[in-house]
Amino acid sequence: QQPVQSPQAVILREGEDAVINCSSSKALYSVHWYRQKHGEAPVFLMILLKGGEQKGHEKISASFNEKKQQSSLYLTASQLSYSGTYFCGTEIEASGSRLTFGEGTQLTVNP
Amino acid sequence: DGGITQSPKYLFRKEGQNVTLSCEQNLNHDAMYWYRQDPGQGLRLIYYSQIVNDFQKGDIAEGYSVSREKKESFPLTVTSAQKNPTAFYLCASSRWAGTSNQPQHFGDGTRLSIL
Repeated sequence: QQPVQSPQAVILREGEDAVINCSSSKALYSVHWYRQKHGEAPVFLMILLKGGEQKGHEKISASFNEKKQQSSLYLTASQLSYSGTYFCGTEIEASGSRLTFGEGTQLTVNP
Repeated sequence: DGGITQSPKYLFRKEGQNVTLSCEQNLNHDAMYWYRQDPGQGLRLIYYSQIVNDFQKGDIAEGYSVSREKKESFPLTVTSAQKNPTAFYLCASSRWAGTSNQPQHFGDGTRLSIL
C-alpha cells in the first residue's frame, strides 16, 4: 500500500519552516526519508524504526507516530539547498528494506 | 570512491526491441533494487535481490527481467512486452542485515525513451 504524503507541494522563503507528513493505512515497521533534486538520484536523509527515537540531521528532523502510522519530516530555518522533492518510503513488516514510496512532496525554497 | 554506476545515462528503444540497463556497485552491498520513476511520481519497485542468484518481483515486474550472477551487478532488461517503457530507471543497493535500518544508496539513473 502506497503511503500518502502531504502536502503535495510547498513554497517557502529562506529561513521559514515546513512539515511534510507521510501516512500509511497499515502498521509501519520503518520509515525512510529521501530528497531528490530534479534529474538526480534520491539522497538518503534518515530512517525511523518502530519503537525508535526521533532522528535529526542538521536542521532536518523527523518523528514516527506508531499509533497513527504516520511520520513527519521537519525542516527548520530552510535553506535554498533544501529545495527538491521529498519522498518517504515505508516498510510494513520487517522485510529488510523493501520499501514502498509515496508520490513525493515538492519543496521550493526561494530567496 | 564507492558507489553505484548506472549506464547508459540515456537509452532509446525501438519497437519490439529488448534493452538492458546496467547497474554496478562497489559498496559490497548484498541487496540491490530496481525502481521506475514516471514524471511527477514516486518510485515504484520493479525487482529486488537480497543475495546472489536470487531475486524477487516488486510491484511492477511485468515486462521486465533481471539477473544476479555477481554480487556487484544487477542488470535490468526491459523487454518488448513492456508497452510503456518511457521512464527514469533507478538502481539502488543496501546492506542486507536482516533488519530495516539500512539506507538505500541510489545510482544516477538511466532515462529510457521510445524511438
